Amino acid sequence: GAVVSQHPSWVICKSGTSVKIECRSLDFQATTMFWYRQFPKQSLMLMATSNEGSKATYEQGVEKDKFLINHASLTLSTLTVTSAHPEDSSFYICSAREPGVISEAFFGQGTRLTVV
Amino acid sequence: GQNIDQPTEMTATEGAIVQINCTYQTSGFNGLFWYQQHAGEAPTFLSYNVLDGLEEKGRFSSFLSRSKGYSYLLLKELQMKDSASYLCAVKDSNYQLIWGAGTKLIIKP
Repeated sequence: GAVVSQHPSWVICKSGTSVKIECRSLDFQATTMFWYRQFPKQSLMLMATSNEGSKATYEQGVEKDKFLINHASLTLSTLTVTSAHPEDSSFYICSAREPGVISEAFFGQGTRLTVV
Repeated sequence: GQNIDQPTEMTATEGAIVQINCTYQTSGFNGLFWYQQHAGEAPTFLSYNVLDGLEEKGRFSSFLSRSKGYSYLLLKELQMKDSASYLCAVKDSNYQLIWGAGTKLIIKP
């Protein structure tokens, strides 16, 4: 299957700082990437849909000024958590869709963010 | 609204068979996916059903009934490594994945 690489796999940052998470599709061009957040023992919550070359579409309740998404190329999308707070601590996962109807949305390894 | 229901937790014995059910109510249907997620890791794709019937892939099988809004994931010859959460997800009319909360499967020796 297709490979999606996410970096870093874990990060600890101080409250008030910003953290950037990268998501790369290694062997295919991903016109669409998705960013999820998952709190312990809960399911995936879609935060935003990132389309190459255009603005991301954010889900209701997700602050677009706090979670900056940039999809500058067909193989890279970044999520920047700005002015992070302890309540932003979570597991962030990206997925990428290969063009086509039957697309399984391959996932990156996830990033464990801890804000102290 | 859109809704996907699956049991919160199930327990099974190593070597046995377990069936994890998923019912859904979505605006449109463009396929149902099952994913496996080990604790602290991202989900990995297991199966995809878009037509009614059973799809078999090794020890794992997935069944779909679109008229009933129902699917199940069947795991045979359970191994300890199968202990994980199993997520059911449906692609709606906008081709967006709607996720269930996941079923935590505990395998006992």
